[in-house]
Amino acid sequence: DADVTQTPRNRITKTGKRIMLECSQTKGHDRMYWYRQDPGLGLRLIYYSFDVKDINKGEISDGYSVSRQAQAKFSLSLESAIPNQTALYFCATSDGDRGGEQYFGPGTRLTVT
Amino acid sequence: AQSVSQHNHHVILSEAASLELGCNYSYGGTVNLFWYVQYPGQHLQLLLKYFSGDPLVKGIKGFEAEFIKSKFSFNLRKPSVQWSDTAEYFCAVKGDYKLSFGAGTTVTVRA
Repeated sequence: DADVTQTPRNRITKTGKRIMLECSQTKGHDRMYWYRQDPGLGLRLIYYSFDVKDINKGEISDGYSVSRQAQAKFSLSLESAIPNQTALYFCATSDGDRGGEQYFGPGTRLTVT
Repeated sequence: AQSVSQHNHHVILSEAASLELGCNYSYGGTVNLFWYVQYPGQHLQLLLKYFSGDPLVKGIKGFEAEFIKSKFSFNLRKPSVQWSDTAEYFCAVKGDYKLSFGAGTTVTVRA
């Protein structure tokens, strides 16, 4: 079984809709992250959480919100989706501050029409 | 603030050719360095990492990278590529609390 899972894997939604992307991990890591990937821009950090009560904005948090429901679950929400949020979204985890190595989920491809 | 620059956007080469991908970073302190690979349709996987010690690190699938502190560089190399190395490659640096990624280099290996 995969250590980091994301649901849904693909989603098409309309402008203005609210959408939630979910991430679960079985690695027992305390830190979780949400990134978006756009062609030519690499991965950019949206939000990160060092534990259940510690949530922080990343480089591009505008238009997004997150919820850390438990150590193993970290959800990303788009309150009112817009077309330029069309991207590939990755969740990642890491174990404390052990060098920063992160483990990635399979990604969610989101299209906003 | 930390940042990462990858020199090539797209590299095309033939099987058995040698590969070198450039990566430079900016950060004033101690860094941990990574190369990740993303095969078509798959998630990112760690190729190799540098934390300290020998600046020449070996990773999976015959890849290696050399950390040159004076040049703020961490270039990735493979002496002889295979068709299965077709993928996107990302350099990443952790200086402060987060991992910063380069824009990625798409590598296409022709049979």
